[in-house]
Amino acid sequence: ETGVTQTPRHLVMGMTNKKSLKCEQHLGHNAMYWYKQSAKKPLELMFVYNFKEQTENNSVPSRFSPECPNSSHLFLHLHTLQPEDSALYLCASSPSWDTEAFFGQGTRLTVV
Amino acid sequence: AQSVAQPEDQVNVAEGNPLTVKCTYSVSGNPYLFWYVQYPNRGLQFLLKYITGDNLVKGSYGFEAEFNKSQTSFHLKKPSALVSDSALYFCAPRALTFGSGTRLQVQP
Repeated sequence: ETGVTQTPRHLVMGMTNKKSLKCEQHLGHNAMYWYKQSAKKPLELMFVYNFKEQTENNSVPSRFSPECPNSSHLFLHLHTLQPEDSALYLCASSPSWDTEAFFGQGTRLTVV
Repeated sequence: AQSVAQPEDQVNVAEGNPLTVKCTYSVSGNPYLFWYVQYPNRGLQFLLKYITGDNLVKGSYGFEAEFNKSQTSFHLKKPSALVSDSALYFCAPRALTFGSGTRLQVQP
């Protein structure tokens, strides 16, 4: 266990659904990240939060909406997704942006 | 700019043989370099890092990496591979960007 917990582990959703992914860490880290991992692109950074402020948005479509209510929790809100959004979504945290990251086990998302 | 390149999509090695997974970097300033491993259907796990100091860095599970400034490389090595080392390995200059990954397959 890395100390970063993601829920749910698996999610199947229709293209008209709204769902949220949750990430939680109690490591006292100040930076949190969302990544997308698919067969086509191994590991894409989506969003970065540093001290609860979004510092990076890597040209992610607006159907993905992050939320960081406090330093321990990070959400990824999903709506009107496309089948090509099916992937493993990974959350990570780190003490700061230039230290090693600790990853959750990921949420396997399937859009039908 | 911070980027790394992993030139091999896959590395095959027999169990008991030494293994090397290659990584070259392009960074401005002092490089911070990391290696991570990912087992199937899991998140990434940190293996080791180079910040400064000795060029040979030792990490988890018997892995080590050699920082070579003249060749701008940071190759991951292990003297004797295990079947359980079979996984996806990522090099990263920091948490913001990762290399494309190298799949290591260790044959019994």
